[in-house]
Amino acid sequence: EPEVTQTPSHQVTQMGQEVILRCVPISNHLYFYWYRQILGQKVEFLVSFYNNEISEKSEIFDDQFSVERPDGSNFTLKIRSTKLEDSAMYFCASSLSPNSPLHFGNGTRLTVT
Amino acid sequence: DQQVKQNSPSLSVQEGRISILNCDYTNSMFDYFLWYKKYPAEGPTFLISISSIKDKNEDGRFTVFLNKSAKHLSLHIVPSQPGDSAVYFCAASEGDQGGSEKLVFGKGTKLTVNP
Repeated sequence: EPEVTQTPSHQVTQMGQEVILRCVPISNHLYFYWYRQILGQKVEFLVSFYNNEISEKSEIFDDQFSVERPDGSNFTLKIRSTKLEDSAMYFCASSLSPNSPLHFGNGTRLTVT
Repeated sequence: DQQVKQNSPSLSVQEGRISILNCDYTNSMFDYFLWYKKYPAEGPTFLISISSIKDKNEDGRFTVFLNKSAKHLSLHIVPSQPGDSAVYFCAASEGDQGGSEKLVFGKGTKLTVNP
């Protein structure tokens, strides 16, 4: 069964550094998402992306965050200047259409020290 | 802001019995509901969904019930198996046709099925 793959599985970075989290969505999917889960808290929506542009974003997704689909297969989340509170598990997801369930990757655990 | 609430953080059942996981929501604009299962070190895996025009959806051992007037849904697993042990997340979205964009998740219920 096709999968969403995310790399790296664990990223440790220092506060103020830039990080890029990478995702390869399922190949025929058209809608892409990032969610995050801070330890002990809910999975939270960050951003959705369709047709090479952001279609929706949450209040968490401020100017420090950006997303890009640099080629036909990758989907990235960049955090420009990481803060301690950005430490979380970041999940990428994709779906065929807005009416179909999201398929999630296994996540990237981001630790900001 | 708990729009989707799973009030039981954990549930333990015997193998072969029914597992019932509950979820309440407050946003009356939600019209599409999903259940995801999550194992440690993995992402959430889609299990089953229901749109607000239905009150029941069944897929094998899994059945989701929706009570719109009570803003309540439940997931029934019958019979429960040890491999069902995982964290179960309820999620909801709003949209014209029940789109799954911007899912709002509950905190999850950890199900343990004992052999």
